[in-house]
Amino acid sequence: GQQVMQIPQYQHVQEGEDFTTYCNSSTTLSNIQWYKQRPGGHPVFLIQLVKSGEVKKQKRLTFQFGEAKKNSSLHITATQTTDVGTYFCAGPNSGAGSYQLTFGKGTKLSVIP
Amino acid sequence: SAVISQKPSRDICQRGTSLTIQCQVDSQVTMMFWYRQQPGQSLTLIATANQGSEATYESGFVIDKFPISRPNLTFSTLTVSNMSPEDSSIYLCSVAALNTDTQYFGPGTRLTVL
Repeated sequence: GQQVMQIPQYQHVQEGEDFTTYCNSSTTLSNIQWYKQRPGGHPVFLIQLVKSGEVKKQKRLTFQFGEAKKNSSLHITATQTTDVGTYFCAGPNSGAGSYQLTFGKGTKLSVIP
Repeated sequence: SAVISQKPSRDICQRGTSLTIQCQVDSQVTMMFWYRQQPGQSLTLIATANQGSEATYESGFVIDKFPISRPNLTFSTLTVSNMSPEDSSIYLCSVAALNTDTQYFGPGTRLTVL
């Protein structure tokens, strides 16, 4: 079945440093989604990328979708303590109308003030 | 985005008992899902809750262990049956946004089985 892999599993950064997490799918995706889960919280939808090579920005967060639509990255510039949490990428399962997602294992970000 | 509530938010249960978790959405949604998230782990899909028919279970999950009801388009329940300590986890319901596969999650139910 479809697999979504994410690296790194953990990342510790000093506040103000940049952070990047990478996501790779075993299959071509119709779209890639990113979610953030704060400690003790639930996953919250951040963004969806649909087009090959697409780049989207949300303030200090930059999301990219690969040309082959099998990989994606999330880059945070100048991390802040509010960025702490686990970032998951997710891709739709194959099969029309399933609406199911396969989640990566997530990258847990710690920010040292 | 939909507003989703779950009850209970947490519970501590004895081995061999069952717990029913409720998920309520503030609007009618077609797709509702139940996930399990073990501590520090990713999200594992248990099943898709189908309105008016039996839930669709993922590999490794069975109806006898995790019966699901979906009586209408805004409500679903997941029961964790005959619990063992291995069932200790966070259980999350989610809904898919209209005509997309973007999902919105409830706050989760943190279950501890002794």
